[in-house]
Amino acid sequence: NAGVTQTPKFRVLKTGQSMTLLCAQDMNHEYMYWYRQDPGMGLRLIHYSVGEGTTAKGEVPDGYNVSRLKKQNFLLGLESAAPSQTSVYFCASSDGTGQGTDTQYFGPGTRLTVL
Amino acid sequence: LAKTTQPISMDSYEGQEVNITCSHNNIATNDYITWYQQFPSQGPRFIIQGYKTKVTNEVASLFIPADRKSSTLSLPRVSLSDTAVYYCLVGARMNAPSNTGKLIFGQGTTLQVKP
Repeated sequence: NAGVTQTPKFRVLKTGQSMTLLCAQDMNHEYMYWYRQDPGMGLRLIHYSVGEGTTAKGEVPDGYNVSRLKKQNFLLGLESAAPSQTSVYFCASSDGTGQGTDTQYFGPGTRLTVL
Repeated sequence: LAKTTQPISMDSYEGQEVNITCSHNNIATNDYITWYQQFPSQGPRFIIQGYKTKVTNEVASLFIPADRKSSTLSLPRVSLSDTAVYYCLVGARMNAPSNTGKLIFGQGTTLQVKP
């Protein structure tokens, strides 16, 4: 099993450009998440999905959109990139069966720089 | 909204026991406490989760007092390979009616294990 994979690994954008980050998981997990990680800020939840076709806002959703058309994929879109969106983006998935928060399995991250 | 506070950094020596405390004064009734480990250029990895009292697994123990306003991750006999950033996460099931999509990670504690 590959687990959680993210595409691309690195990307440099100019302000105003758009892009889509792809997350894929092969564990048949119901839940998927997108986080951003900035120095000194820990991980902050952007959007999440509790099943195919559903998405919801997390702590910092502004400037991002997501889609979960297939169970195994979770896409994060930036319609008009801003320098404040320079960050490392992590995708995660979980099976949705835990009593509390599920064990999340994280991808390797995407390092995005917006100039 | 539960906010978590952790020490920014800690130093230890090989073979010692390390205790990392996370403060979460506003923890909600349905929230669980989870700890993750992160190595450079990798996504976080699950260590342990608990709701109250003590939980132990093959790598760590988690102590949660009765008021649940803090938690302590205990790593027995650390080695050089335990050098990493440790994150405390407070949150509930993502599909719970009372959940507003918040999974709050702490800022992380950088543990440096010395020979």
